[in-house]
Amino acid sequence: SAVISQKPSRDICQRGTSLTIQCQVDSQVTMMFWYRQQPGQSLTLIATANQGSEATYESGFVIDKFPISRPNLTFSTLTVSNMSPEDSSIYLCSVEAYNEQFFGPGTRLTVL
Amino acid sequence: GNSVTQMEGPVTLSEEAFLTINCTYTATGYPSLFWYVQYPGEGLQLLLKATKADDKGSNKGFEATYRKETTSFHLEKGSVQVSDSAVYFCALMRGSGSRLTFGEGTQLTVNP
Repeated sequence: SAVISQKPSRDICQRGTSLTIQCQVDSQVTMMFWYRQQPGQSLTLIATANQGSEATYESGFVIDKFPISRPNLTFSTLTVSNMSPEDSSIYLCSVEAYNEQFFGPGTRLTVL
Repeated sequence: GNSVTQMEGPVTLSEEAFLTINCTYTATGYPSLFWYVQYPGEGLQLLLKATKADDKGSNKGFEATYRKETTSFHLEKGSVQVSDSAVYFCALMRGSGSRLTFGEGTQLTVNP
């Protein structure tokens, strides 16, 4: 399996600010994914991040709002920009290994 | 496109009761199927998986069988415990490198 850590685990932020979430994996992986889980909802894919190329965003998500970096095979960041209360969610990083996906513990974001 | 439909929840059971959570899917080809569990305040953990028709995934007393003819992957457990209280997500993945498509999630509460 792959062990994934995320920082921060939770944060409370003010409207209009930005937060960068870090995702670290204990092994080298090709595919990394960022998901959003709004309160009481299922998971929605934000984007797929491959090392050395730009992230691929899903419909409804744009790079200006959710810029992603993928500098190497074990690390990625997701920034939530110009936040509003509607961005209050759990943000989860996941990686694919052994034909399945493993998830980090998530970052619980509250925007006031 | 791909989609996953779970039974409407929430589900409330008494300890030692039998559990079934229904899951059906729509996808072309032969996706891999998964059940994830999310305990209160935590991220997602893979519970079990099946990669081809008639495969049975099992873990911690939970089972699910990949039924191609009915496009289903129902989760069952013979005797639930209070510690099984969590949200359960059915999901599919169409091949390596693909995103996960999640169902809506089913909240399970087990009372002593």
